[in-house]
Amino acid sequence: QQQVKQSPQSLIVQKGGISIINCAYENTAFDYFPWYQQFPGKGPALLIAIRPDVSEKKEGRFTISFNKSAKQFSLHIMDSQPGDSATYFCAASRPGTYKYIFGTGTRLKVLA
Amino acid sequence: GAGVSQSPRYKVAKRGQDVALRCDPISGHVSLFWYQQALGQGPEFLTYFQNEAQLDKSGLPSDRFFAERPEGSVSTLKIQRTQQEDSAVYLCASSELGGAQKTQYFGPGTRLLVL
Repeated sequence: QQQVKQSPQSLIVQKGGISIINCAYENTAFDYFPWYQQFPGKGPALLIAIRPDVSEKKEGRFTISFNKSAKQFSLHIMDSQPGDSATYFCAASRPGTYKYIFGTGTRLKVLA
Repeated sequence: GAGVSQSPRYKVAKRGQDVALRCDPISGHVSLFWYQQALGQGPEFLTYFQNEAQLDKSGLPSDRFFAERPEGSVSTLKIQRTQQEDSAVYLCASSELGGAQKTQYFGPGTRLLVL
C-alpha cells in the first residue's frame, strides 16, 4: 500500500512532441503528489505538484493530470525539448507526515 | 542564496570501514531529510530532523546507520562497518518548517561505493 508504481521506465520523444509519464498508487490516504526532475549528478528538483481535489494543474509546458477514482496521475510535457532530457520521479505523501514515497523513475530522452 | 550542499561528493570505502557523510542545509531551514537512492531507483526515506530533534528514523536500514544534527543546522549521516549493499547515492534535503507538503530542496548527493 505504500508503493507508487511509475511507467514507463524509459521514454524517447522527438523534439516538439509530448512526453507522458504515468504513476499509480494504492493508498487512498495519500494527498500530495509532487513530480521531481533529476539531471545526472544532481539532486532531484521539484517540478510541479498537485493535490487530489483538482483534476489538472498546469505550469508552463508541464501539466499534471489526476484521476482520483483510478488512483492514477500523470505528467505531460508539451513541446518537449532536448533540455528536458532527465529522469523524472513521481512521489506521494500522506497527511501529517514529512516523507515522500517515490516512484522508480522514468528516464526521458528528447531527440533534437 | 546557496542551496543544499553535501560532502564528500564521492566516497570509496572498503567493506567494514566507517564513513561519515555531511549535509549543509539551506540557511534557516528547520526540516532536514536523508534519503538513499540505489542505482536506477527512486530515493527512499531514511530519517527526518526538525531542528536538532530526530523525529523519524524509521527508514534507517540497520543499526549501523546513525544520523545526527546536534545544533539544528549541519547534519551527519554515519554508516558503521560498511557493507557492499550500502553502495548508493545518499541525498540530503531541507525545507522550511512543515510537513511533506512543503517543498523539499535536495542536495547533489554523496555517491558511496563500498568495495
